[in-house]
Amino acid sequence: KQEVTQIPAALSVPEGENLVLNCSFTDSAIYNLQWFRQDPGKGLTSLLLIQSSQREQTSGRLNASLDKSSGRSTLYIAASQPGDSATYLCAPANFGNEKLTFGTGTRLTIIP
Amino acid sequence: NAGVTQTPKFRILKIGQSMTLQCTQDMNHNYMYWYRQDPGMGLKLIYYSVGAGITDKGEVPNGYNVSRSTTEDFPLRLELAAPSQTSVYFCASSYSTAGQPQHFGDGTRLSIL
Repeated sequence: KQEVTQIPAALSVPEGENLVLNCSFTDSAIYNLQWFRQDPGKGLTSLLLIQSSQREQTSGRLNASLDKSSGRSTLYIAASQPGDSATYLCAPANFGNEKLTFGTGTRLTIIP
Repeated sequence: NAGVTQTPKFRILKIGQSMTLQCTQDMNHNYMYWYRQDPGMGLKLIYYSVGAGITDKGEVPNGYNVSRSTTEDFPLRLELAAPSQTSVYFCASSYSTAGQPQHFGDGTRLSIL
């Protein structure tokens, strides 16, 4: 059974810093991996989707990497802004049933 | 473009009552999903549907029922509410499964007292 871990559970950094969020998963047989953002009281917004054949995916100040063999993905946020404050979740799609397994997320706070 | 719309946003039920959580999407997506999110836990899949008339169980289906009579609508039914069903419920949709992002509604916060 796929298990997803996101460490740390919470992170606070000053505005303007670059930061990395980590995601590890136990079963490397995945179709793809998605990173989501969740604002308080809101649903999830898909940020990036990396296919299993890709190593990286970029969107603006966000860059996600995937190392399927080691069961790891990272989300890099450049030049952080207060508007980046949210909970970030990763979710690999399991090969065979294509269902997402979610981590518990990292709650990010950007300090102005 | 509304995306995925969930109603109601909040609801308090008494133990043993029943209710239906509504979910509608206007993106013509074939795939729809119901998740629950409990504090400190990742989202868990309750039920999903790959198209009108086709539904299947997810990881935590007990106590819930679904139907999919149209492409747009995917309601979730609680027949006998129990305190363990207190949670935030999210509906999502996607064009397909692998390779396509899921789009989420804003959730329904449900308390069973």
